[in-house]
Amino acid sequence: DAKTTQPNSMESNEEEPVHLPCNHSTISGTDYIHWYRQLPSQGPEYVIHGLTSNVNNRMASLAIAEDRKSSTLILHRATLRDAAVYYCILTGFGNEKLTFGTGTRLTIIP
Amino acid sequence: GAVVSQHPSRVICKSGTSVKIECRSLDFQATTMFWYRQFPKKSLMLMATSNEGSKATYEQGVEKDKFLINHASLTLSTLTVTSAHPEDSSFYICSATSSYNEQFFGPGTRLTVL
Repeated sequence: DAKTTQPNSMESNEEEPVHLPCNHSTISGTDYIHWYRQLPSQGPEYVIHGLTSNVNNRMASLAIAEDRKSSTLILHRATLRDAAVYYCILTGFGNEKLTFGTGTRLTIIP
Repeated sequence: GAVVSQHPSRVICKSGTSVKIECRSLDFQATTMFWYRQFPKKSLMLMATSNEGSKATYEQGVEKDKFLINHASLTLSTLTVTSAHPEDSSFYICSATSSYNEQFFGPGTRLTVL
């Protein structure tokens, strides 16, 4: 599976937007970009996924670079509940397996 | 979103005993279930992939005789840690999916082996 690179940690102020970057320079044409997050002592939670176009849902937005070698997860207005480890994961077509990297630990400052 | 439950949420056992963890998809039929383990401050590591009615596929380095997986129905998979030892103490998490797009994770089971 293609690898992703994320910063180890980020901080953001409450009620401000957060942009979480992910590099995936070896992504193949059929790889999907998934984002999951894990709150402390809980199982991961699906956030969003996309292939080529930018995606929006009630939780976040996903901005995918034109060459698909990077993407950014956007939380429009961070709350304390958004403090978690965020994982950017690629999956190949027809492959359901998720390979978790180290993710980005997001801290929200009140 | 869909709900996946795990039982028990926490278990403490003596070394040498076996522990069974259940994973259920409550409101959908899961074609595939996955089992992960997570050590403190580490990322999730996939242990095995389980499809209903067939043998589980284990990841490299995971002992299939130690971690027995049974996927008896489209809503239930079980992980049995046989002859548990302190090094098996970990956070075990299952997930379930019915499509390639989204996995739904259980809340996890914290296993402590004394």
